[in-house]
Amino acid sequence: DSGVTQTPKHLITATGQRVTLRCSPRSGDLSVYWYQQSLDQGLQFLIHYYNGEERAKGNILERFSAQQFPDLHSELNLSSLELGDSALYFCASSVDRQGPYEQYFGPGTRLTVT
Amino acid sequence: GESVGLHLPTLSVQEGDNSIINCAYSNSASDYFIWYKQESGKGPQFIIDIRSNMDKRQGQRVTVLLNKTVKHLSLQIAATQPGDSAVYFCAENRPSGTYKYIFGTGTRLKVLA
Repeated sequence: DSGVTQTPKHLITATGQRVTLRCSPRSGDLSVYWYQQSLDQGLQFLIHYYNGEERAKGNILERFSAQQFPDLHSELNLSSLELGDSALYFCASSVDRQGPYEQYFGPGTRLTVT
Repeated sequence: GESVGLHLPTLSVQEGDNSIINCAYSNSASDYFIWYKQESGKGPQFIIDIRSNMDKRQGQRVTVLLNKTVKHLSLQIAATQPGDSAVYFCAENRPSGTYKYIFGTGTRLKVLA
């Protein structure tokens, strides 16, 4: 158990819908990273938050947004869903204290868009 | 898109032998590298990391080697066990004032009994 929790574990929804994925980092970690993992793309970095502030964006679509709350949990919002958004979504947390440190991943949310 | 050089090859190793998994990274300015293990249905699990000011780092049964000259990273697993069967990813952090990790597609390690 990495100490990072993600909910829900599975999500099935229809095209055009909107979903919210939730992540709680390990105790003491200020950084939260979101990744998408699909069969043909591997792990793709989406976005990084540190102590409530957005720090870096990767291959994140405009239909996707995220935020990190004062209690450090984070939510990833996916809207106008398309079939191609079906994937595993992972969050990871890290201390990232004065430099990058190892990331600890949650168990993931499997999103299926039908 | 950007990637750290793996295309999910498969490495088959006899139980008890040593395994070597290789990774070519693309950015000479990358300063931090991580190896992860991912078992089926689970999230990636941290194995070992190395910073660019080091050439070698050892953990329990694992060693990471970094060759900055040729931008190559390797993970050595000693006395490979059935529980080591998984997909292994390397990731590089590209410094740009922020932490932005690039992952490869992974190498599948199969341990043969």
